[in-house]
Amino acid sequence: EAGVTQFPSHSVIEKGQTVTLRCDPISGHDNLYWYRRVMGKEIKFLLHFVKESKQDESGMPNNRFLAERTGGTYSTLKVQPAELEDSGVYFCASGMDRGWQYFGPGTRLTVT
Amino acid sequence: AQSVTQLGSHVSVSEGALVLLRCNYSSSVPPYLFWYVQYPNQGLQLLLKYTSAATLVKGINGFEAEFKKSETSFHLTKPSAHMSDAAEYFCAGILTGGGNKLTFGTGTQLKVEL
Repeated sequence: EAGVTQFPSHSVIEKGQTVTLRCDPISGHDNLYWYRRVMGKEIKFLLHFVKESKQDESGMPNNRFLAERTGGTYSTLKVQPAELEDSGVYFCASGMDRGWQYFGPGTRLTVT
Repeated sequence: AQSVTQLGSHVSVSEGALVLLRCNYSSSVPPYLFWYVQYPNQGLQLLLKYTSAATLVKGINGFEAEFKKSETSFHLTKPSAHMSDAAEYFCAGILTGGGNKLTFGTGTQLKVEL
């Protein structure tokens, strides 16, 4: 069984540009989560999808971040326009039940 | 505020020695608690999970953790460290009123020396 996959693994963009991160969850997992770790800080929750619906987006930092999950399968997280403080590692996780969250390898975003 | 706290951002042990990584939580009711490990250049891997069943939880790679309500702790242990255990370890919890989201500690980097 394939795990959670994320694309790209690394992205380097300039301030003001747009970046889209993609997450493919484990097949059959209705729950999909996005988290972020900025350098030196703890991993923080961004948002939670149940199928295609946003269940909780309380962790989204501002309206420059837009997450979608079309058809309840893969999800994208767009940052537009990117700022320096958006640099960090973005993790995606998926799960079937409350508590079990399987993480992808992360996307390392560097904004210069 | 409800939180997860890991004491010690860096822990160093000798190969064969006991590994003890500390985690405390703050929650109005006992939460679900987890330990994850991140090896270099890899994603987060679930080591073990506590969900109000047995207080001593066994995980992969010889790790275990004990939930102690009186101490609000969920420390991770391994009797004998191996070089391959060198990684960053994260304690996380699903806390009261937090929905399904994980609240993480700041992580502990484990170094294993010969």
